[in-house]
Amino acid sequence: SQQGEEDPQALSIQEGENATMNCSYKTSINNLQWYRQNSGRGLVHLILIRSNEREKHSGRLRVTLDTSKKSSSLLITASRAADTASYFCATEGEYGNKLVFGAGTILRVKS
Amino acid sequence: DGGITQSPKYLFRKEGQNVTLSCEQNLNHDAMYWYRQDPGQGLRLIYYSQIVNDFQKGDIAEGYSVSREKKESFPLTVTSAQKNPTAFYLCASSNERSSYEQYFGPGTRLTVT
Repeated sequence: SQQGEEDPQALSIQEGENATMNCSYKTSINNLQWYRQNSGRGLVHLILIRSNEREKHSGRLRVTLDTSKKSSSLLITASRAADTASYFCATEGEYGNKLVFGAGTILRVKS
Repeated sequence: DGGITQSPKYLFRKEGQNVTLSCEQNLNHDAMYWYRQDPGQGLRLIYYSQIVNDFQKGDIAEGYSVSREKKESFPLTVTSAQKNPTAFYLCASSNERSSYEQYFGPGTRLTVT
C-alpha cells in the first residue's frame, strides 16, 4: 500500500525558477525522506526530516514537514537543467523497518 | 569504491522460466531491500532483510523468493508463479533500519515474453 502521494504528478519550469513538490501521507510517521531518480537509474537520497522537525535545508533544497496536516513539501531553488528527474517522498511508519514510497513527481527543467 | 551493484542491467526471459537477479553491497550495511517499479509508479517493496539468514515479505512478495546467506548479498528470484514479472527491479541497503537513508543500486530491467 502506498502511503505517500506526491502533487503535482508532473511539473515543467524554466531554468532559474523554483520548483515545489508536495507529499501527503496517511498515518503517523517516524521520518519522511525525499529521493531523486534520473530516468532509468536507481534512486538517490536527498534529505531526511524527522517527525519532530519542521524544516530542513540542504544546499538548494528546503523541506518542510507538517505532521498535523500529514504533509511535506520539497522546494528546489534556482533550478538547473540537471535537476530534471522524478522526485519521490518515502515515509517510515511509527513501527519502523520499512519505507513506503509515493508515486513521484516528474520535474522537467527547461534551459 | 563502495556501493551497491546489480546485475545484469537488462534481462530477457521466456515466460515460465525462473530468473535470479543479483544484488551485492560493500557498504557493510545490515539491511537490504528489493523493490519493484512499474512505469509511472513509485516503488513497491517485495522483500527485505535486516540481518543475515532472516528476511520478511513486503507488500508484493507473491511469486518472488530471496535468500540472505551473506551480509553482502541479497539475490532475488522471480519465479514462474509471478503473473506479471516485466518491471524495473531495484535493490537497496541501509544501516540497521529505514530510519537511515537507503542506498540504491542501478536497477535491473527484466522483460519476460
